[in-house]
Amino acid sequence: EAEVAQSPRYKITEKSQAVAFWCDPISGHATLYWYRQILGQGPELLVQFQDESVVDDSQLPKDRFSAERLKGVDSTLKIQPAELGDSAMYLCASSPTGGNEKLFFGSGTQLSVL
Amino acid sequence: KNEVEQSPQNLTAQEGEFITINCSYSVGISALHWLQQHPGGGIVSLFMLSSGKKKHGRLIATINIQEKHSSLHITASHPRDSAVYICAVKKKTSYDKVIFGPGTSLSVIP
Repeated sequence: EAEVAQSPRYKITEKSQAVAFWCDPISGHATLYWYRQILGQGPELLVQFQDESVVDDSQLPKDRFSAERLKGVDSTLKIQPAELGDSAMYLCASSPTGGNEKLFFGSGTQLSVL
Repeated sequence: KNEVEQSPQNLTAQEGEFITINCSYSVGISALHWLQQHPGGGIVSLFMLSSGKKKHGRLIATINIQEKHSSLHITASHPRDSAVYICAVKKKTSYDKVIFGPGTSLSVIP
């Protein structure tokens, strides 16, 4: 079965360093989501793409976070500089276009900022 | 107030018990998802529904659109059902925005 691929699985970095996460959605899925999940809480949407366009980045801390999906396929989420409070699980999900479709999640990247 | 709420926050059950997890939301939606998250992060979609009821094995999900409420039921619970169960809704927007509830942590004891 097709899967959403994410890498790396774990990332440890020091504060003020730059980090990047990669996501490859299921082939043909136009909608791609990046979520941040703090332990014990539900995922929070950071950014949503429809093909290569950002349709929602209202919760993305744009002073330090950036996201791109240049060809409407895979996507990169970057943090520069990382802060202690960025330690969390970063999840990528994808969905076909059409409204009422299932969500498919990657395994996530667990980020620890020291 | 959060747009999606769940109850209970934590739940401990004995193996074999019937379990109900509730989700309520305050926005217009086009669909509602029930998701399962095991320790380590992986999230799996259990159900997506926009009306009525769906059943898969020992899991049953219902939704009442008028009351803005959904329930997830687990019959004959088993320790392997121990996980976090998350309700998420697709808001009626021009794009498919999905927002999540806080999750319900379930522990089933043998």
